[in-house]
This record gives sequence, C-alpha cells and structure tokens, in this order.
Amino acid sequence: GAGVSQTPSNKVTEKGKYVELRCDPISGHTALYWYRQSLGQGPEFLIYFQGTGAADDSGLPNDRFFAVRPEGSVSTLKIQRTERGDSAVYLCASSLRRMAAGGNTGELFFGEGSRLTVL
Amino acid sequence: AQSVTQLDSHVSVSEGTPVLLRCNYSSSYSPSLFWYVQHPNKGLQLLLKYTSAATLVKGINGFEAEFKKSETSFHLTKPSAHMSDAAEYFCVVRLPTSNTGKLIFGQGTTLQVKP
Repeated sequence: GAGVSQTPSNKVTEKGKYVELRCDPISGHTALYWYRQSLGQGPEFLIYFQGTGAADDSGLPNDRFFAVRPEGSVSTLKIQRTERGDSAVYLCASSLRRMAAGGNTGELFFGEGSRLTVL
Repeated sequence: AQSVTQLDSHVSVSEGTPVLLRCNYSSSYSPSLFWYVQHPNKGLQLLLKYTSAATLVKGINGFEAEFKKSETSFHLTKPSAHMSDAAEYFCVVRLPTSNTGKLIFGQGTTLQVKP
C-alpha cells in the first residue's frame, strides 16, 4: 500500500501478557516514530528511529516498552507485562528525512493506529 | 520547554458559518507549528504547517492559520464550515533540536458541525 500500515488494528489482551504491535512505513522513508494516544488526549511521543537505530527513546514510559527496527523498514513495538494503563491507540508515523538548513525533517505520515485494550 | 495549548476542547458551529480553533504556543526557539486533523478511525492528516516563511499559512480543504508572534498564537480558521469538517483537530509544535522532528501535540479540539 501507499500509506503507513499498522497491525493489528485492534488488540485485546489480559493484564500481564506480552504484546507486539507492527508498523510498516512508507517505502523509502528512513525516519519512523511511535506515538501513544490515550482517550481524550493528544498523541504523545514514544520513540524515533533513523534507519535501524533508535535515535531518541526518551518518550518510552518504562522498561516494559521496547521497539526495534532491525532492517530499517518495519518496526515492532513490544510491551511486556501489560497493565490496564497501557490501554491506548498506538500510532506509527514515517517521514522521508531531508537534510536542510536547520536539519528540518519532512512531513510525518501517520498510520491509522493499533488500539490496545488491556483487561 | 516547548508546548501548545488548545484553548477549547469542543467547538460547535453550524454548516456554512466560520470556524475558529484557537492555539497558543510556548517556545524558546522560533517554532515550527502544525495543525493536524483526525477523523474517526482514520490516521492523522496534516492540514498545514508554519516554518518561518509567510505568517499566513494556507492548508488543505480551505483551512488557514496565522502565526502571530506577539500573541504566541497559531489559530486555525475556515470561512465556511462543511459537514465533512467534523473531526478532532490538533495543534502541534516541533522540537528543533537534534533533527529528530519530534512533535508535541496539544490536547485536541473536537469540531462539531451542525446542519
């Protein structure tokens, strides 16, 4: 497809379980972002990848959250020992990073998100 | 620290009347500012962006926003609302450091359009 693809679109799990959420960015986009959107809130930054490496993981709430992007394309967000407070929509975005004066990146294109519900 | 404040959590207008969604920003640097729209069960879509060029920015679907440094505002407007404009709108500031492009979102404003 032409856009950012996220799977699953919906995930219901039980407290304490392990969850993986997948993001397939737009082909050729080197920058990839994960955001989390809780009910009634704006998205909050989790982590940013440039290529295969996590350039900024300052938004990950704790060590139960981890993300990888081993080949610089698809990314997986992993949540261990899920808690009810992890329930949210997890958004992925990608951009075609352009080097310009000031280092501005290009527009971010968002997927439709993965809705996680922890019972 | 950089942040944005959306002054209204909910705005209701009649179809064909003007839309005003208010946003104030706080930034230590010359900011990059954006408005995104989120329709139900759809991905976030960029409406428009300000990156220190013209202060009046035109976006898609007839929306525009004006950057006012003296008021630290970046309000979103549209002359005539359409039913399809009903959605959640986010004012966003981009952190300029480290070239990460990390975005800081406001809390969102729900726009309701009545027939």
